[in-house]
Amino acid sequence: QKEVEQDPGPLSVPEGAIVSLNCTYSNSAFQYFMWYRQYSRKGPELLMYTYSSGNKEDGRFTAQVDKSSKYISLFIRDSQPSDSATYLCAMIRSGNTGKLIFGQGTTLQVKP
Amino acid sequence: IAGITQAPTSQILAAGRRMTLRCTQDMRHNAMYWYRQDLGLGLRLIHYSNTAGTTGKGEVPDGYSVSRANTDDFPLTLASAVPSQTSVYFCASSPGVGTGELFFGEGSRLTVL
Repeated sequence: QKEVEQDPGPLSVPEGAIVSLNCTYSNSAFQYFMWYRQYSRKGPELLMYTYSSGNKEDGRFTAQVDKSSKYISLFIRDSQPSDSATYLCAMIRSGNTGKLIFGQGTTLQVKP
Repeated sequence: IAGITQAPTSQILAAGRRMTLRCTQDMRHNAMYWYRQDLGLGLRLIHYSNTAGTTGKGEVPDGYSVSRANTDDFPLTLASAVPSQTSVYFCASSPGVGTGELFFGEGSRLTVL
């Protein structure tokens, strides 16, 4: 079983829809949770960063962490065609030597 | 523009050949990483370096070697390439160790025939 599981999709939604992207994990030691966005043929870029449980909002994006359920989510409101990309969840243990664990990535397409 | 520069962007290589992927950063970050990205498997860590002069093994280190002679450069070498090393390789750097805030290059697409 992989430490981090993410539905690869693809996920296709109409413009303006609310998108929910999710990851589950098995290691309760994970403390930092990230979402990276990767456009086609580009490197990933950090989108959201949260520590421990709770919500964090940044514009149209909300990251949610539920450590009791070992479940994290990324919500995109009013989705735009420019949001079409692959979204990778990632997590790391506190004090770890930088060994970030990534999910497989979910490919999102927002249709105009 | 500050960031990570990778070279080459794309390469076709015969099996058994030696290949070095170059990575340079100008952000003065201490930590650097090499990942490979394969369909259905996501990003997997090959090797990392927390600071110049030190390196460590990641999840899939076999067949690869790295060096970190200075802060800016972190080359990845395939001593004798095999077809299973066909992948997209990403170099990344981080201002701190263990925070998860990584800055990635644009990737090097390698095909081993």
